[in-house]
Amino acid sequence: NAGVTQTPKFRVLKTGQSMTLLCAQDMNHEYMYWYRQDPGMGLRLIHYSVGEGTTAKGEVPDGYNVSRLKKQNFLLGLESAAPSQTSVYFCASTPEWGMGNQPQHFGDGTRLSIL
Amino acid sequence: GDSVTQMEGPVTLSEEAFLTINCTYTATGYPSLFWYVQYPGEGLQLLLKATKADDKGSNKGFEATYRKETTSFHLEKGSVQVSDSAVYFCALRDLNTNAGKSTFGDGTTLTVKP
Repeated sequence: NAGVTQTPKFRVLKTGQSMTLLCAQDMNHEYMYWYRQDPGMGLRLIHYSVGEGTTAKGEVPDGYNVSRLKKQNFLLGLESAAPSQTSVYFCASTPEWGMGNQPQHFGDGTRLSIL
Repeated sequence: GDSVTQMEGPVTLSEEAFLTINCTYTATGYPSLFWYVQYPGEGLQLLLKATKADDKGSNKGFEATYRKETTSFHLEKGSVQVSDSAVYFCALRDLNTNAGKSTFGDGTTLTVKP
């Protein structure tokens, strides 16, 4: 009963390095989302996907790229990390059916520090 | 666009005290409303929800009623415990919003002292 799994859980990068955060869900959900959580700013949507092979920008997409090659996986990439990207990143998913009434299911987060 | 405004925190209460966390919203359509809870080091998890006006969501002693006339969804609990210490997020999902994206409040940190 895994739900939404994020890897890695923690990571420290140097400015300019690249990395990919992986999100995997085993609930056959159609919709997936990437958020960042910063103190005092709640959750901000970075990118989202409405199905395999589709992606779209959220409210804070700059500096990030995403891919959804398989329905169960949603990858978030940082091509050239910057200190402003230090944050906790959360992935979430939700089914399409009755989506307006369905909550989002969240992973436990990836804590990323950029030095 | 849609928005959610939560009571600012942090909130500190003694065990067995009454809890209210205010939440108001603006939406163009007829949203479903949610309360999520986030414990330290974890992701958000659904606490309760309400999908239409006058619905009451409840779980683990927490309650919230969907008030369309006041556009509110206040969270209440009659007697809090130390284990309720967490961050609470109010959120909405609007069927009219592309991809069913959720709109979250900024979160309210609750600390319950023994």
